[in-house]
Amino acid sequence: EAGVTQSPTHLIKTRGQQATLRCSPISGHTSVYWYQQALGLGLQFLLWYDEGEERNRGNFPPRFSGRQFPNYSSELNVNALELEDSALYLCASSLAGQGPQETQYFGPGTRLLVL
Amino acid sequence: GDSVTQMEGPVTLSEEAFLTINCTYTATGYPSLFWYVQYPGEGLQLLLKATKADDKGSNKGFEATYRKETTSFHLEKGSVQVSDSAVYFCALSDRSNFNKFYFGSGTKLNVKP
Repeated sequence: EAGVTQSPTHLIKTRGQQATLRCSPISGHTSVYWYQQALGLGLQFLLWYDEGEERNRGNFPPRFSGRQFPNYSSELNVNALELEDSALYLCASSLAGQGPQETQYFGPGTRLLVL
Repeated sequence: GDSVTQMEGPVTLSEEAFLTINCTYTATGYPSLFWYVQYPGEGLQLLLKATKADDKGSNKGFEATYRKETTSFHLEKGSVQVSDSAVYFCALSDRSNFNKFYFGSGTKLNVKP
């Protein structure tokens, strides 16, 4: 069974640009989560999508947004990129029902570098 | 607010030594607790979890007991191997706080032969 996949693996942008990151969950999983793993800050919860709806978001500005498609894949968009947005962005998926209480399965991440 | 605090690393041990990685939490309700592991060059994997007080999660020789009285979820292993070298993350999910998920900062474990 295929795991969570993310694309691209690496992304280089300049300040002010927009970045789009993609995630495909494990087949049968309807919940998708996004996390930011910045150097020295650990893993920070960004967004949770389930059945196409945004269920919760962490303490991030509105320029971090996303969506979930009917096939449960998801996009994370970061607008007006700032240098401190440079980080590893992890996507995870889980079965529906209890949200993050369910076991989350993580993808390999997209490393975003903002110059 | 909710938070997870885990011991800073790196932790360096010899093979077959006893391992403890401390984790304490703050939560408004009754969270579920998790340990995730990130091996070099790989993604995060769930190691074990516990969903209520006094539950013990276990996997691959690792154990952690959900202690509500001390708000702790310490990870232990009786005899570590070189292959256990990784970064370990403690995490919680609090249903009473809109199901937000909080990770600790991670503890790097180095096991020497």
